[in-house]
Amino acid sequence: GAVVSQHPSWVICKSGTSVKIECRSLDFQATTMFWYRQFPKQSLMLMATSNEGSKATYEQGVEKDKFLINHASLTLSTLTVTSAHPEDSSFYICSAVPGLAGGPNSYNEQFFGPGTRLTVL
Amino acid sequence: GNSVTQMEGPVTLSEEAFLTINCTYTATGYPSLFWYVQYPGEGLQLLLKATKADDKGSNKGFEATYRKETTSFHLEKGSVQVSDSAVYFCALNLNRKLIWGLGTSLAVNP
Repeated sequence: GAVVSQHPSWVICKSGTSVKIECRSLDFQATTMFWYRQFPKQSLMLMATSNEGSKATYEQGVEKDKFLINHASLTLSTLTVTSAHPEDSSFYICSAVPGLAGGPNSYNEQFFGPGTRLTVL
Repeated sequence: GNSVTQMEGPVTLSEEAFLTINCTYTATGYPSLFWYVQYPGEGLQLLLKATKADDKGSNKGFEATYRKETTSFHLEKGSVQVSDSAVYFCALNLNRKLIWGLGTSLAVNP
């Protein structure tokens, strides 16, 4: 159980285009999902917290107009990289926290998707 | 602020060697502590966790003990295998957010 999928697994796009990445919790509901960015040989950087039915919370230094997040249902969050540029090339990872707000998942374990490799030419 | 410091890699060991990957943390409050593993070409997987001081997490022969007095959560395994080759991340969880170490790459040679 607790499987998270991401689509696509990799994408190559031209500079200036927009790319949408989907994150789905396959066998559980998640009011909270997280989006991370991972640079080569570096740690994960939290970009934003995605909350179902409300606006995402962005970390300091992350442009919310560039990285649009939509959490339209309890099993789906999307990240859209708008007007992508080569410096946006990276590995994007999502995670999901099972359970509803105030539920029994007291240690808030996150389950991770396999990641999406974005290359902007 | 809250942070996690991991020993730098890469770490290269022979099969059946003893493994220690050091992890220390600074945190306000009482975090849960985690070790995640990322095998080549795969997503992050939770390896083990500990939610309070003196808890020992264990899985697949790996162990780590939550030491509040030394603010540490060192990962150990008595006898590594080639299949343990991966990148290992130490992380702490506060207020539903994970704060990550930089990761330690482990290569185990036959």
